[in-house]
Amino acid sequence: DIQMTQFPSTLSASVGDRVTITCRASQGISRWLAWYQQKPGKAPKLLISKASTLESGVPSRFSGNGSETEFTLSITALQPDDFATYYCQQYNNYMWTFGQGTKVDIK
Amino acid sequence: EVKLVESGGGLVQPGGSLRLSCAASGFTLSSNSMNWVRQAPGKGLEWLAYISNRGSLTFYADSVKGRFTISRDDAKNSLYLQMNSLRVEDTAIYYCARGYASGPPTGHWGQGSLVTVSS
Repeated sequence: DIQMTQFPSTLSASVGDRVTITCRASQGISRWLAWYQQKPGKAPKLLISKASTLESGVPSRFSGNGSETEFTLSITALQPDDFATYYCQQYNNYMWTFGQGTKVDIK
Repeated sequence: EVKLVESGGGLVQPGGSLRLSCAASGFTLSSNSMNWVRQAPGKGLEWLAYISNRGSLTFYADSVKGRFTISRDDAKNSLYLQMNSLRVEDTAIYYCARGYASGPPTGHWGQGSLVTVSS
């Protein structure tokens, strides 16, 4: 099974900051990686697929990068609506795996 | 509009069974693979099960293999998760999530159904 290690688990930041979240796969997954945003009481929202493809309607301050085993999600100029928990997800095979999540909270 | 609506959750005793349903609308269910994902209270996301677009292929997470069964009825536009031998640690919100025929996520999730396993 492919394991996903995501860090940091918590990130304290201010509005306007640039933040970066990292996700590492236990084996190469090409670019079969997605990033989600989840807010309390809500289902996860897909932000990025194929490591760097922004989903429709997602602000351009979100960006994804990486391949094989190392991936990053960056948010430039953090907005109040961005304080949430973020998850990476690999879908290299039919058995998805999620990272442990990164909570971005207000400093 | 694509819509996924889970139902069937509730309170069940350890060792009991429950069947979750996921009603799909706004797309042709038979063209998509489907998944179940859960989230325990205050915890992260855990993928549980996959079923191919024709129902011929299924995969399960080790944590539920042998206890849970994913199935689909495309004629009823519905996905199911039969959960047997439930444990306290199965307490979670259960989501159905749509995938492309080849497996990648489409980004469509239901609102979730809460399953509580407690005596």
